[in-house]
Amino acid sequence: DADVTQTPRNRITKTGKRIMLECSQTKGHDRMYWYRQDPGLGLRLIYYSFDVKDINKGEISDGYSVSRQAQAKFSLSLESAIPNQTALYFCATSGLSGGGNEQFFGPGTRLTVL
Amino acid sequence: QKEVEQNSGPLSVPEGAIASLNCTYSDRGSQSFFWYRQYSGKSPELIMFIYSNGDKEDGRFTAQLNKASQYVSLLIRDSQPSDSATYLCAVGGGFKTIFGAGTRLFVKA
Repeated sequence: DADVTQTPRNRITKTGKRIMLECSQTKGHDRMYWYRQDPGLGLRLIYYSFDVKDINKGEISDGYSVSRQAQAKFSLSLESAIPNQTALYFCATSGLSGGGNEQFFGPGTRLTVL
Repeated sequence: QKEVEQNSGPLSVPEGAIASLNCTYSDRGSQSFFWYRQYSGKSPELIMFIYSNGDKEDGRFTAQLNKASQYVSLLIRDSQPSDSATYLCAVGGGFKTIFGAGTRLFVKA
C-alpha cells in the first residue's frame, strides 16, 4: 500500500466550482504539505501543517484553504476555482528524522479548471 | 534572484558516462540539502540528502556540498537510460524547504 495517497488523481472542473483535494498518509509523520507544480516553476508551497492544531500559509496560499482533520489527513480546498489554478498538486509528509526535512510525496492530483 | 537555481537543461549524456547536476542557493542559513528525482507525470522521489560540507556517496550517486560557495551538486556515475528524469534540488532551513525548478537529464543508450 502507498504511504501517501491522494484523491482524486485527476479532476476537470469549471470556473467558480468548489473543489477539495484529499491526502492521507500511513507514515506516522506529523508534518504535511500541499504543493503545486507548474512547468518551469518547480514546486511551490501552498500550505503546511506541523500537527493537527497548526496550519501555516506557504508562498502561494491565496485562493486556497486547508483542513487538517487528523494527523493522517490533510485536505486542500479551492473555494472558487479559476483557470490559473490548473496545475499538478502534490501532498507531502515529513517526520523529524536526522534534523532535516526529507519529504515524501503522494502521487499527485492533476487539476484542470476550464 | 531565485532562491534555488538550477539549469533547466536538458542535459544529455551517453550511457555509462557521469552526469553532473548543479544547484545554487541564496540563503546562507540553509542547513539541509536534498536531491529528488521526478519521472514524467510522477511524483518527486528523494534520492539523496546532505547536511555537511563535502561529499556523500550512495551507490552510483554522489552529492557534493560547498556552503561557502552556496553550491550543491549531484553526480551520477555509470548513467543509465533509466536515470532519464528531472532532478530537483531542494534546500531547507528550519521548517522551510525551497525547491528548484529542476534539471532534465537525458541518458542516451
